[in-house]
Amino acid sequence: GQQLNQSPQSMFIQEGEDVSMNCTSSSIFNTWLWYKQEPGEGPVLLIALYKAGELTSNGRLTAQFGITRKDSFLNISASIPSDVGIYFCAGIPTGTASKLTFGTGTRLQVTL
Amino acid sequence: DAGITQSPRHKVTETGTPVTLRCHQTENHRYMYWYRQDPGHGLRLIHYSYGVKDTDKGEVSDGYSVSRSKTEDFLLTLESATSSQTSVYFCAIGRTTNYEQYFGPGTRLTVT
Repeated sequence: GQQLNQSPQSMFIQEGEDVSMNCTSSSIFNTWLWYKQEPGEGPVLLIALYKAGELTSNGRLTAQFGITRKDSFLNISASIPSDVGIYFCAGIPTGTASKLTFGTGTRLQVTL
Repeated sequence: DAGITQSPRHKVTETGTPVTLRCHQTENHRYMYWYRQDPGHGLRLIHYSYGVKDTDKGEVSDGYSVSRSKTEDFLLTLESATSSQTSVYFCAIGRTTNYEQYFGPGTRLTVT
């Protein structure tokens, strides 16, 4: 099945730094979702995007729905140790109803 | 947190034995999903349900069956477990008014 291309695959950053990651597809998407997963737990929904160009924030997290509808971006400002985890993008391609397609994940590690 | 529980949380079973995993929700959401998560493959959809007794296959449905006799419960059955079904299984729920999916805590299944 299709997977979204997510980059980078992993990041090692220092506490206080800003983080950027993105997700791209060859298909047009109606919806973009960003999840965070910590070890031993299920993915937790962070941000949902529904319109091209939409920019949505959740605390220090900001995500954007790309204007081409084929990509999305997640930024984390002033990272802290509890930001550690794997961040997944997910989207609904046009014509696939409610079935999500997932990205391969970005593993974020934060050093003090 | 979305009201989703999965049972059991951990299970070790032998090849050839039947296994049933349960997902229970208290949110009255119409859609329920079963995913498996494996290194290198991310989250892949096994089966999903769009209402009581209404189910459909996902991208990796071979060897799995599901049943939904009540809105709140979605069962995943491995009729005869194989080692390739060793994985972490996640249940998710969703509404029809948007495409957001909320995940349960997962079940780690090991088939020996």
